[in-house]
Amino acid sequence: EAEVAQSPRYKITEKSQAVAFWCDPISGHATLYWYRQILGQGPELLVQFQDESVVDDSQLPKDRFSAERLKGVDSTLKIQPAELGDSAMYLCASSDRDRDWEQYFGPGTRLTVT
Amino acid sequence: SQQGEEDPQALSIQEGENATMNCSYKTSINNLQWYRQNSGRGLVHLILIRSNEREKHSGRLRVTLDTSKKSSSLLITASRAADTASYFCATVRNQGGKLIFGQGTELSVKP
Repeated sequence: EAEVAQSPRYKITEKSQAVAFWCDPISGHATLYWYRQILGQGPELLVQFQDESVVDDSQLPKDRFSAERLKGVDSTLKIQPAELGDSAMYLCASSDRDRDWEQYFGPGTRLTVT
Repeated sequence: SQQGEEDPQALSIQEGENATMNCSYKTSINNLQWYRQNSGRGLVHLILIRSNEREKHSGRLRVTLDTSKKSSSLLITASRAADTASYFCATVRNQGGKLIFGQGTELSVKP
């Protein structure tokens, strides 16, 4: 069964450093999402792509976060500089609009900022 | 910002018992979805119910939706220790597909 791939699975970085996460969605899924999940809470959408275009980045802290999906396939989420409050799980998901936007999630990247 | 609230926040039951989790939301929706998350892992889609549906079944799962009360419930029958996880409801408001999650219910099923 096709899966969403994410790397790395775990990342420890010092504050003020740059960090990047990678996501490869399920083949053929045009919509890709990045979520941030703080421990004990539900995921919150950071950015949504339709193919290579951003359709929603209203909750993305644009002063330090950036996301791209250059060829409309895989995607990178970057944080520069990282802050202590960025420690969280970063989840990538993809969906096919023909299936009522049911989303398939990757395993996530657990970020710890020290 | 979270769309809704889930109740209870935590639930502990014995194997074989039924587990019921409730979700309330604030705005009109296109559909509502339930996801499971095992500790420290990604989310797994369980079931989706459209706004024009009232009840849906999938194996041991039963979901109800009351759009007049803006609420949904997830029933897991004959629970197993392997059902131990966090359960999240999430709503889709429009055709854009953006999911807005609740805070989740942490279910513990004791053998």
